[in-house]
Amino acid sequence: AQSVSQHNHHVILSEAASLELGCNYSYGGTVNLFWYVQYPGQHLQLLLKYFSGDPLVKGIKGFEAEFIKSKFSFNLRKPSVQWSDTAEYFCASRKGGTASKLTFGTGTRLQVTL
Amino acid sequence: DTEVTQTPKHLVMGMTNKKSLKCEQHMGHRAMYWYKQKAKKPPELMFVYSYEKLSINESVPSRFSPECPNSSLLNLHLHALQPEDSALYLCASSQWATLAGVELFFGEGSRLTVL
Repeated sequence: AQSVSQHNHHVILSEAASLELGCNYSYGGTVNLFWYVQYPGQHLQLLLKYFSGDPLVKGIKGFEAEFIKSKFSFNLRKPSVQWSDTAEYFCASRKGGTASKLTFGTGTRLQVTL
Repeated sequence: DTEVTQTPKHLVMGMTNKKSLKCEQHMGHRAMYWYKQKAKKPPELMFVYSYEKLSINESVPSRFSPECPNSSLLNLHLHALQPEDSALYLCASSQWATLAGVELFFGEGSRLTVL
């Protein structure tokens, strides 16, 4: 079965600090990868996704992620965080090209301080 | 604002009650999903509907009964729930269920409390 690991459960950063959130997935075949964000009291929103092509994916709000197949990783990065980035971040994976489920990681709570 | 609308936003019910959660999308998506999210946990898939037919049931107890009356609507009928079923129930939709890279759009959820 697929699994997604997010090792950072709670991250606290000051504004303007750089961010990297780890994500590792378990499935060895073709895989689609996603990062979703859940701002306090709001619905899950897609930040970015990878399904093929350039392994460096750029998303909304200055976020990017790099797919490294050899490491089964899809880490999320942002060069300079803002207070408004305070949210829960979920990495998710899905077997490519099938009707299989989207499996979420346990989430990372990011708190950005002023 | 999300384009997936869920009602009610909050629901409190007793263990003998029958209630329903509703989800609606007008993006022309042909796949719709129910997820369950407990506090401080990731969303967990319950059901997937593709072209109004149930395609995935993640071994969900029969006290949860999904229904897809048409391509825009998804219901979750609740009966004889247990207190441990209290959670945030998320509806999502996507253009298709099978295409690689397809994005899920989530609603804001219905927060259910079972007394």
